[in-house]
Amino acid sequence: DIQMTQSPSTLSASVGDRVTITCRASQSIDTWLAWYQLKPGKAPKLLIYKASNLQSGVPSRFSGSGSGTEFTLTISSLQPDDFATYYCQQYNSYLYTFGQGTKLEIK
Amino acid sequence: QLQLQESGPGLVKPSETLSLTCTVSGGPISSSTYYWGWIRQPPGKGLEWIGSIYYTGSTSYSPSLKGRVTMSVDASNDQFSLRVSSVTAADTAVYYCARLKSVIAFDGVHSHFDFWGQGTLVTVSS
Repeated sequence: DIQMTQSPSTLSASVGDRVTITCRASQSIDTWLAWYQLKPGKAPKLLIYKASNLQSGVPSRFSGSGSGTEFTLTISSLQPDDFATYYCQQYNSYLYTFGQGTKLEIK
Repeated sequence: QLQLQESGPGLVKPSETLSLTCTVSGGPISSSTYYWGWIRQPPGKGLEWIGSIYYTGSTSYSPSLKGRVTMSVDASNDQFSLRVSSVTAADTAVYYCARLKSVIAFDGVHSHFDFWGQGTLVTVSS
């Protein structure tokens, strides 16, 4: 299986901050990577697919980059609604695997 | 707007079979572009892919569930289902159903989860 490692596990930030979350794959996955936002009691939300493509309806403050084994999710200016847990997921292999998650907390 | 809704018992006894159904509304399940899948999240832990199914009934499962998983599809009612047999406390989790949007590339099919249900908590306990 392809292992996905996210960092940091927890991130404390303030409204208006620029934040970056990193995701590393144990082997090359080209650009077959997605990012999701999870909030308790709500349906998870796709933010980014194929490493850098913004899902329809997602605010442009979210962006993704990377290829091969290293990827980043950046939020350019944090809004109150962005405090949540974020997961990366590889789909280079049909044995889909997720990172362990990054909890974004209010500082 | 596509919506997915999980349904099924919230409490299952150890050694019994967990059964969940996902009802899809706002779009047909029998589309060639999409697969349908299940993901779970144990309390305090990360996401784990369980398996995926095409509307024709073709399936793929996570090896980590060691043959305990069965998925099926009822295209006439826009539903797909999950069964996990011989459950233990380790199967306690929020179970999500989701749609996988698929792209055919030179090296095969690649799919990400573009719509999810809200999830349902299943507790395994006597």
